Amino acid sequence: AQSVSQHNHHVILSEAASLELGCNYSYGGTVNLFWYVQYPGQHLQLLLKYFSGDPLVKGIKGFEAEFIKSKFSFNLRKPSVQWSDTAEYFCAVNTNYGGSQGNLIFGKGTKLSVKP
Amino acid sequence: KAGVTQTPRYLIKTRGQQVTLSCSPISGHRSVSWYQQTPGQGLQFLFEYFSETQRNKGNFPGRFSGRQFSNSRSEMNVSTLELGDSALYLCASRSSGPRTAYNEQFFGPGTRLTVL
Repeated sequence: AQSVSQHNHHVILSEAASLELGCNYSYGGTVNLFWYVQYPGQHLQLLLKYFSGDPLVKGIKGFEAEFIKSKFSFNLRKPSVQWSDTAEYFCAVNTNYGGSQGNLIFGKGTKLSVKP
Repeated sequence: KAGVTQTPRYLIKTRGQQVTLSCSPISGHRSVSWYQQTPGQGLQFLFEYFSETQRNKGNFPGRFSGRQFSNSRSEMNVSTLELGDSALYLCASRSSGPRTAYNEQFFGPGTRLTVL
């Protein structure tokens, strides 16, 4: 069965620090990869997604992620975080094939707290 | 376009009762998926409906069921509630064409269910 692992449960950073959140998935076939963000009291929103092509994808609010196929990883990065980035971040995958096509499998999330 | 709406936003029930949650997708979206979010298990896929038919189902007991109406609105029902069913239930909608897995899912605010 497919699974997604997010290495950090809670990350605390000061403003202007750089951010990298780890995400690994287990699935041998072709996957689509996503990062979602959930700000306090708000809906889950899509930050960025990777389907194919350039493995470095850019999303909203200055976030980017790099797909490394050999490592089954899709880490999220931001060069300089702001207090407003305080939120919970979820990595997710889905596949293009089979009965579960399109259903998202989520990691357990990483809470990011940014100190002003 | 209006986003995905879910009603009610909060519910308190007691063990053994049943509950029905409602989701209205974004206009034009024919696919509706349901997810359960808990602190321990994270976000887990429940089921997906498309054109009034259940297309995919996650690994949840038969107490969890759903349906979709001709206007794409969806309901999910949980019978014989257990304490462990306390969770945030999220609904997501997407347009659904031949390349289902590529279509972004848009999430609603969720229904917070508390079982006492």
